[in-house]
Amino acid sequence: NAGVTQTPKFRVLKTGQSMTLLCAQDMNHEYMYWYRQDPGMGLRLIHYSVGEGTTAKGEVPDGYNVSRLKKQNFLLGLESAAPSQTSVYFCASSPSPLYEQYFGPGTRLTVT
Amino acid sequence: SQQGEEDPQALSIQEGENATMNCSYKTSINNLQWYRQNSGRGLVHLILIRSNEREKHSGRLRVTLDTSKKSSSLLITASRAADTASYFCATDAKDTGRRALTFGSGTRLQVQP
Repeated sequence: NAGVTQTPKFRVLKTGQSMTLLCAQDMNHEYMYWYRQDPGMGLRLIHYSVGEGTTAKGEVPDGYNVSRLKKQNFLLGLESAAPSQTSVYFCASSPSPLYEQYFGPGTRLTVT
Repeated sequence: SQQGEEDPQALSIQEGENATMNCSYKTSINNLQWYRQNSGRGLVHLILIRSNEREKHSGRLRVTLDTSKKSSSLLITASRAADTASYFCATDAKDTGRRALTFGSGTRLQVQP
């Protein structure tokens, strides 16, 4: 039982490049979330999903897209990376908002 | 804007002392959760308190919730160096249409050995 895993752990992009971050969970959770965390700050919600095939916008969705084609996977895409997207990205899952969230280890992304 | 705001932003204590962190929020909630984050790591869930509960304990942790004041506190008793971390409150707000938590900016706790 791996919990929540994230791929990759680190990435450096040049401005304008694209990439996809992968989040996988093996707990059969319906809800999955993508957050970003900037230095000295809390987490801000980018997008989330309430089940396979469904996604919704969070607080800071601009510049990101997501997909949930399989229940266990939640992908976060950056189509044209900008330096403002330099951050640590965390994925989380939960059975419902009424319960705790389980977090992945994070992906540290630098955009130069 | 952040739903939850922690106070203080940073706290430094000696091992064995108690640490108290506070969280204030703005709207009615279903539940409030506390998480810990060690440097460079993901968040780990500590405790969840529902809106109809006033106090909850888990080991050395004690959480209180005052819905009339829209505030919560996390008490860590007999702190250890291993408790050094950032602590975040997160709220599941009612009636927002968004089924997700909103996190505060956190309290950085340093426990000196």
